[in-house]
Amino acid sequence: NAGVMQNPRHLVRRRGQEARLRCSPMKGHSHVYWYRQLPEEGLKFMVYLQKENIIDESGMPKERFSAEFPKEGPSILRIQQVVRGDSAAYFCASSPMTGGSNYGYTFGSGTRLTVV
Amino acid sequence: TQLLEQSPQFLSIQEGENLTVYCNSSSVFSSLQWYRQEPGEGPVLLVTVVTGGEVKKLKRLTFQFGDARKDSSLHITAAQPGDTGLYLCAGVEIQGAQKLVFGQGTRLTINP
Repeated sequence: NAGVMQNPRHLVRRRGQEARLRCSPMKGHSHVYWYRQLPEEGLKFMVYLQKENIIDESGMPKERFSAEFPKEGPSILRIQQVVRGDSAAYFCASSPMTGGSNYGYTFGSGTRLTVV
Repeated sequence: TQLLEQSPQFLSIQEGENLTVYCNSSSVFSSLQWYRQEPGEGPVLLVTVVTGGEVKKLKRLTFQFGDARKDSSLHITAAQPGDTGLYLCAGVEIQGAQKLVFGQGTRLTINP
């Protein structure tokens, strides 16, 4: 079984450009979570989505950031007009069901965004 | 959002020594999980503890969940250089979306 697939692994954007990060969950998983990690820090929750629904976006900045998980295709985290402070590793995780959190998440390898 | 405090943040010890990493909160969690993260990769689940007072062993690693389900510890016996890495504790919130919240991590270095 393929794990959680994230692409690209590395993304370089100039200030003001848009960044699109993609995440394909594990087969059979319908819950997707996005986290951001700064160097030498833990992971900070951003958003939790199920197919076509945003369940909890309490960790996502209200401006410039958006996320979707369409009926078909990967989940997308979109950052508009990127600034240097957006540089970080962004991780996606998936789980099979509500309460699946108790069984642990499967994480992708992350996308490392660098804003120059 | 419930918070988790992990300590120490950095730990460097010699091969063969024992160590304990702590994960504390003032909040009750549905479960606590420990992950290990290698450079350039995502976290990998080591263990989940669900019941207060639960103890789980994974070779030289021992994980304990506090009786009140607010804290956890990771004990490594006879540490080896291969244990080097970032260890993250994470708790499942009881209320709301039951999402996973992470501590800030412990960077462990085992010197040969």
